[in-house]
Amino acid sequence: GNSVTQMEGPVTLSEEAFLTINCTYTATGYPSLFWYVQYPGEGLQLLLKATKADDKGSNKGFEATYRKETTSFHLEKGSVQVSDSAVYFCALSDSARQLTFGSGTQLTVLP
Amino acid sequence: EADIYQTPRYLVIGTGKKITLECSQTMGHDKMYWYQQDPGMELHLIHYSYGVNSTEKGDLSSESTVSRIRTEHFPLTLESARPSHTSQYLCASSEYSGNYNSPLHFGNGTRLTVT
Repeated sequence: GNSVTQMEGPVTLSEEAFLTINCTYTATGYPSLFWYVQYPGEGLQLLLKATKADDKGSNKGFEATYRKETTSFHLEKGSVQVSDSAVYFCALSDSARQLTFGSGTQLTVLP
Repeated sequence: EADIYQTPRYLVIGTGKKITLECSQTMGHDKMYWYQQDPGMELHLIHYSYGVNSTEKGDLSSESTVSRIRTEHFPLTLESARPSHTSQYLCASSEYSGNYNSPLHFGNGTRLTVT
């Protein structure tokens, strides 16, 4: 079956630091890949997505590139802010249209 | 702004009580989901629906039940609440289209505590 493996947290960074959250996946075929973000006290919301190999998804300064050769979709941001403190989930969707989530990575950004 | 609404936001209830968690969406989405989120943040799919009169069990065995009588409404019911049901419950919806790129839209969740 499909699976998503995320970098374990929690991750604590200082403001303006560079962020990488690793995500690798196992899937048959050609899944679509997503990053969702959950701010404190809220539900998840879509941060970015990529639907085919070498696509780059981007939003709010975050980026992730769909790497089929390494089955990865790492999330990056060049300069994090305190307001980026949240839980980040990597996910994939396959032809069966079922979404598989990673276990989530807690990010805390200190001023 | 939220187009998918969950009520109540918080609920504390005694063991053995029957409860219904409400979820409504205004986007006309066919597919709806219920996830249970444990304290470690991991999400577990417990129920989903492709449309009216369609309900399916998810990956995690659950003692809850769901119904889908109207497109916009997908309530979850626990007939007899137990402390092991204490968790956060997240409702979501998505377009049910031919491709699988449609993202999920989540509500803000119901945090349930069973004493």
